[in-house]
Amino acid sequence: IAGITQAPTSQILAAGRRMTLRCTQDMRHNAMYWYRQDLGLGLRLIHYSNTAGTTGKGEVPDGYSVSRANTDDFPLTLASAVPSQTSVYFCASSVERGGYNEQFFGPGTRLTVL
Amino acid sequence: KNQVEQSPQSLIILEGKNCTLQCNYTVSPFSNLRWYKQDTGRGPVSLTIMTFSENTKSNGRYTATLDADTKQSSLHITASQLSDSASYICVVSRLDSNYQLIWGAGTKLIIKP
Repeated sequence: IAGITQAPTSQILAAGRRMTLRCTQDMRHNAMYWYRQDLGLGLRLIHYSNTAGTTGKGEVPDGYSVSRANTDDFPLTLASAVPSQTSVYFCASSVERGGYNEQFFGPGTRLTVL
Repeated sequence: KNQVEQSPQSLIILEGKNCTLQCNYTVSPFSNLRWYKQDTGRGPVSLTIMTFSENTKSNGRYTATLDADTKQSSLHITASQLSDSASYICVVSRLDSNYQLIWGAGTKLIIKP
C-alpha cells in the first residue's frame, strides 16, 4: 500500500452501537489526525496524535476516542453512536517540510447513524 | 474568533475559462495559508502552502496569492479543464499550533464543456 488507507469505505450503523474506524499509513509520518466533514462546514479536527503513544483532543472530541499504539495505525472509536455523528470521516498524517507540517489525507469513511 | 471565509460558495464556468476564488481569514497569530483541492468522494489534496513572507505561489495552472495585511488570499485557475471540477478549500495555520488548522467551507467549482 502507499499513503493512507481507511476502512470501511462506508457504514450504516444503528444508534447506540460501538464502531471503530480504521486508519493506516505507510509513510512513517509521526503525526496523525481524525477529521469530520459535514455539509457546508469546514473540516473539524476530532483528535490528533503527534507521535506514537500520545494523543490530543481537537475541536470536536466528545463521543470519540483514539489510540496510537504504533506509528502506522490510528483507529477512531465511537463508543455509542448517535445520529449527530453521521458524517464523512477523514484520517490524515503529516510530515514537517520547510517549517510547516504538510498533511496527507485518506479517502474517507462515510458513516450514517440511524 | 479564528475563522476562514470563502467566496463564492459555488461557481460554474465553461471549460477553458479562467476563474478566481476568494478567501478571507481572521486567524491570529498567522503561520501559513494553504489551498486544497477535494474531488467528490475523495480526501483533500494540497495545492499550495504560503507563509507570511510569500505573496504568490504557483502550481501548474493554479496560482495562489496572499495579502497578509488585509488577511486575504485568492486562488486563480487558468484555462480551466473538466478535471478542475472539485471543491477548493482555504486553510490557515496558527503560529502557536502547527497541528491544528482552521478550515474554510470550500468553494464548489463546476467546469462545463
